[in-house]
Amino acid sequence: GENVEQHPSTLSVQEGDSAVIKCTYSDSASNYFPWYKQELGKGPQLIIDIRSNVGEKKDQRIAVTLNKTAKHFSLHITETQPEDSAVYFCAGAGGTSYGKLTFGQGTILTVHP
Amino acid sequence: EAQVTQNPRYLITVTGKKLTVTCSQNMNHEYMSWYRQDPGLGLRQIYYSMNVEVTDKGDVPEGYKVSRKEKRNFPLILESPSPNQTSLYFCASSLGGWEKNIQYFGAGTRLSVL
Repeated sequence: GENVEQHPSTLSVQEGDSAVIKCTYSDSASNYFPWYKQELGKGPQLIIDIRSNVGEKKDQRIAVTLNKTAKHFSLHITETQPEDSAVYFCAGAGGTSYGKLTFGQGTILTVHP
Repeated sequence: EAQVTQNPRYLITVTGKKLTVTCSQNMNHEYMSWYRQDPGLGLRQIYYSMNVEVTDKGDVPEGYKVSRKEKRNFPLILESPSPNQTSLYFCASSLGGWEKNIQYFGAGTRLSVL
């Protein structure tokens, strides 16, 4: 089945800096890669996703890039703000594990004012 | 308001005492799923359901049961809970398969098994 590895496990940045979180996946047939943000005491919420036929997707201050050849994808947050502080999860789906969504281990992002 | 509702939010129980965590969604979604969240391990899928009476194992199904008798409900059953099932549990739903649709999560159920 699919295996998703996420790094780093913790990330601390100053307000206004950029933050990058990276994930690798094992199933070359996976075709959908969402990113979720989990705030304290809440369930994860989708913030951006990318499909395997696209190399990059941007939504205001967040962007995701996908390298199918290397089987890795990354989340980029620019001009970080304290409210960006949360746990971020990457995930992979589709391919040979239809119906299953496999998550990475999570990254605790802290943005210092 | 569109939402996924889990109950209870917090639960403390003892080893071997059967319990059920309920999950209900009001969005007429076909797909529903249960995850457990543990530090350093992320979210791991326990069971998922693609429609009424259709369920399948996720990555960590041992010790859990589910049923999908109605479209809106997807309860998680622990027949004989053990301390290693102490965790934070999330129910989620989506209109269709994960690769095509946004998945909505409940607020979570924190379970402690003594």
